[in-house]
Amino acid sequence: RKEVEQDPGPFNVPEGATVAFNCTYSNSASQSFFWYRQDCRKEPKLLMSVYSSGNEDGRFTAQLNRASQYISLLIRDSKLSDSATYLCVVNPGGGADGLTFGKGTHLIIQP
Amino acid sequence: NAGVTQTPKFQVLKTGQSMTLQCAQDMNHNSMYWYRQDPGMGLRLIYYSASEGTTDKGEVPNGYNVSRLNKREFSLRLESAAPSQTSVYFCASSEVPSYNEQFFGPGTRLTVL
Repeated sequence: RKEVEQDPGPFNVPEGATVAFNCTYSNSASQSFFWYRQDCRKEPKLLMSVYSSGNEDGRFTAQLNRASQYISLLIRDSKLSDSATYLCVVNPGGGADGLTFGKGTHLIIQP
Repeated sequence: NAGVTQTPKFQVLKTGQSMTLQCAQDMNHNSMYWYRQDPGMGLRLIYYSASEGTTDKGEVPNGYNVSRLNKREFSLRLESAAPSQTSVYFCASSEVPSYNEQFFGPGTRLTVL
């Protein structure tokens, strides 16, 4: 049973383009949702939390669709520095037992 | 403010050897976690400590033990290393349990021959 599913990519996108990823989760009781970014051979770092009303941070927009159980990440005006793996992360039960990570979507921004 | 630190950064073991991975955080966080990351598998939780003095199993605890030495430190021990434990190990911490942001250490790359 895959709790959090993402398209692994890679997504090859020209610089300046808009790119979007989706992620689906299986546990309808999930309470917290996040996008993390992981650079090659580095640790994951929080990109943004995902709220029910959606949220935006500069060029990044995250949306949550509870009815369809997916979250999305939109990157506008992509930069070379956006090249990374983007991890969809869910807290299934809201408890202390850690987060459930998707396997990640690999994004390559091309000059 | 170093955040989350891990030692060692790299380690090569032979099958059957033991070792302890060290993790420390200076953010006064209550909760700490150990994950492993394998190609194609994503991050999987090994053990966690919701608060000082408590530890609990995660998704893949077999072959590992942990100690929450104090609020700052959370160690992971491999008693008898196996090739299947070759992985990258990340320690993380959060102010409260998982619904808050987790901060990760730089990772330990472990190879078991």
